[in-house]
Amino acid sequence: AQSVTQLDSHVSVSEGTPVLLRCNYSSSYSPSLFWYVQHPNKGLQLLLKYTSAATLVKGINGFEAEFKKSETSFHLTKPSAHMSDAAEYFCVVSEVRNTGKLIFGQGTTLQVKP
Amino acid sequence: NAGVTQTPKFRVLKTGQSMTLLCAQDMNHEYMYWYRQDPGMGLRLIHYSVGEGTTAKGEVPDGYNVSRLKKQNFLLGLESAAPSQTSVYFCASRSSADTQYFGPGTRLTVL
Repeated sequence: AQSVTQLDSHVSVSEGTPVLLRCNYSSSYSPSLFWYVQHPNKGLQLLLKYTSAATLVKGINGFEAEFKKSETSFHLTKPSAHMSDAAEYFCVVSEVRNTGKLIFGQGTTLQVKP
Repeated sequence: NAGVTQTPKFRVLKTGQSMTLLCAQDMNHEYMYWYRQDPGMGLRLIHYSVGEGTTAKGEVPDGYNVSRLKKQNFLLGLESAAPSQTSVYFCASRSSADTQYFGPGTRLTVL
């Protein structure tokens, strides 16, 4: 069965410093992986997705993630944090392609300090 | 395009009352999903549909029913609300490129 583990429930960075949000996954086949962001009291917005093309995936707002099969990881990074990046981030794996069911991690809250 | 919309945005129910949440999408997607979000637990799948007239159970289906009479609409029903169903409910639809698009959510409180 597929599963997702976000290794940090809370990450705090200073504005202008790099962001690293860690995610490990478990899947019996080559998965589709996603990162979604949720700002307070808002819905979920897709940041980026990996679907077995390039292992380095670029997303919106300067975020990117690298798929590492050997480490079963899909960590999210950004070179320089902005105050507007403060939000909850979810790492997600697609369970079975023909139903598209998503398995969510528990989420990582990103705090950005001025 | 409005994308995915949800009605209502907020609702307060008393234990035992019933209600229906409406999800609508204008992207002609076949697949639609209902999730609930609780603190510290991410989103969990309640029910989903792979096309008009079809529905299937997800991870946490008990206490909920769904219907997909029209391709663009996916209804989530609570027949007898319980405090454990206090949550934020999200609807999503899925494109052919395996990407799910989420609605803004419905915040439900059951007293």
